[in-house]
Amino acid sequence: GQQVMQIPQYQHVQEGEDFTTYCNSSTTLSNIQWYKQRPGGHPVFLIQLVKSGEVKKQKRLTFQFGEAKKNSSLHITATQTTDVGTYFCAGLRSNDYKLSFGAGTTVTVRA
Amino acid sequence: DTEVTQTPKHLVMGMTNKKSLKCEQHMGHRAMYWYKQKAKKPPELMFVYSYEKLSINESVPSRFSPECPNSSLLNLHLHALQPEDSALYLCASSQDFQREFFGPGTRLTVL
Repeated sequence: GQQVMQIPQYQHVQEGEDFTTYCNSSTTLSNIQWYKQRPGGHPVFLIQLVKSGEVKKQKRLTFQFGEAKKNSSLHITATQTTDVGTYFCAGLRSNDYKLSFGAGTTVTVRA
Repeated sequence: DTEVTQTPKHLVMGMTNKKSLKCEQHMGHRAMYWYKQKAKKPPELMFVYSYEKLSINESVPSRFSPECPNSSLLNLHLHALQPEDSALYLCASSQDFQREFFGPGTRLTVL
């Protein structure tokens, strides 16, 4: 079964506002990856976090990996209409190297 | 070339048909994957090939039969599918189980 929990499932955001999506794993992860899937599209890799406590930024996106390597977050500032889509976290399990996807956060933006 | 290609883009088949999905990558990746994705759900792992050998089968019904003819190609043979098998089928590849590159998918409808 799914071992990476992701919340919220839906995020309706006013353009220009910030939001955060959170992932939590029941087990320690080898790394955590984030993907974005636009409506009608396929998952596209955004970033990978490997180290405990790691923080990485991509323009308006900030990704964090928890100290215990069990949780992660994605924070988007000043949301734009181009941010629409579903954001998936995916944890790589160190025992079998399977990528376990969270349920995804589907983002819609009000102009 | 950092692309994974999949054919066909769309497929409609009856429950008695036999069809095949094809996937190709020329990035030299040694791990290749088949995922199934239902609407509003995350990708669900089906099979993993590592160095052309099947390394993971997620208890997928035998009506789905994967094949890896060489390091660049991955096929998924379909036979006697059920309507509930209708979904987006995604192929992906990775180097050393790091970030996964997804293809655009085949949207399958089983009548």
